[in-house]
Amino acid sequence: GENVEQHPSTLSVQEGDSAVIKCTYSDSASNYFPWYKQELGKGPQLIIDIRSNVGEKKDQRIAVTLNKTAKHFSLHITETQPEDSAVYFCAASTKGSARQLTFGSGTQLTVLP
Amino acid sequence: DAGITQSPRHKVTETGTPVTLRCHQTENHRYMYWYRQDPGHGLRLIHYSYGVKDTDKGEVSDGYSVSRSKTEDFLLTLESATSSQTSVYFCAISATSGGSTGGEQYFGPGTRLTVT
Repeated sequence: GENVEQHPSTLSVQEGDSAVIKCTYSDSASNYFPWYKQELGKGPQLIIDIRSNVGEKKDQRIAVTLNKTAKHFSLHITETQPEDSAVYFCAASTKGSARQLTFGSGTQLTVLP
Repeated sequence: DAGITQSPRHKVTETGTPVTLRCHQTENHRYMYWYRQDPGHGLRLIHYSYGVKDTDKGEVSDGYSVSRSKTEDFLLTLESATSSQTSVYFCAISATSGGSTGGEQYFGPGTRLTVT
């Protein structure tokens, strides 16, 4: 089955700096890669996703890149703000009868004021 | 939380007792999922449903069963709870299975279950 590894497990940045979180996946058939943000005591919130027919996607301060050859994808947050502090999860899935997401182990991002 | 409620939000139970967690959605989405979240493991898929009475196993299905008799409700049952099932359980919904578009999963607020 699919295996997703996520690095780093913790990341501290100064407000206004950029943050980058990286994930690798094992199954070359995976074709959908979402990123979730989870605040303390809440459910994961979908913030951006990318499909295998696209190399990069951007939404305001957030961007995701995908390298299918190397089987890795990354989340980039620019101009970080204290409210970006949360746990971020990457995931990967193939398409079957339903999307079975395999998640990375998470990155605790802390934005220091 | 995308029209998803989970009940109860917190539960403490004893080893060996049966437990049922409920996920209710108001979005009329076809696909529903149960995940568990444990430190260091991210979220892991337990079971999923692709329609009323249509369910299948995920990565960590041992010790769990599910039922879906209505579009809006997806129940997760621990027949005989064990301490290893102490976890936070999340339900997710999706309108489609996904392809070149669609398939996004939206999560509920979670249920914290403690088995003593």
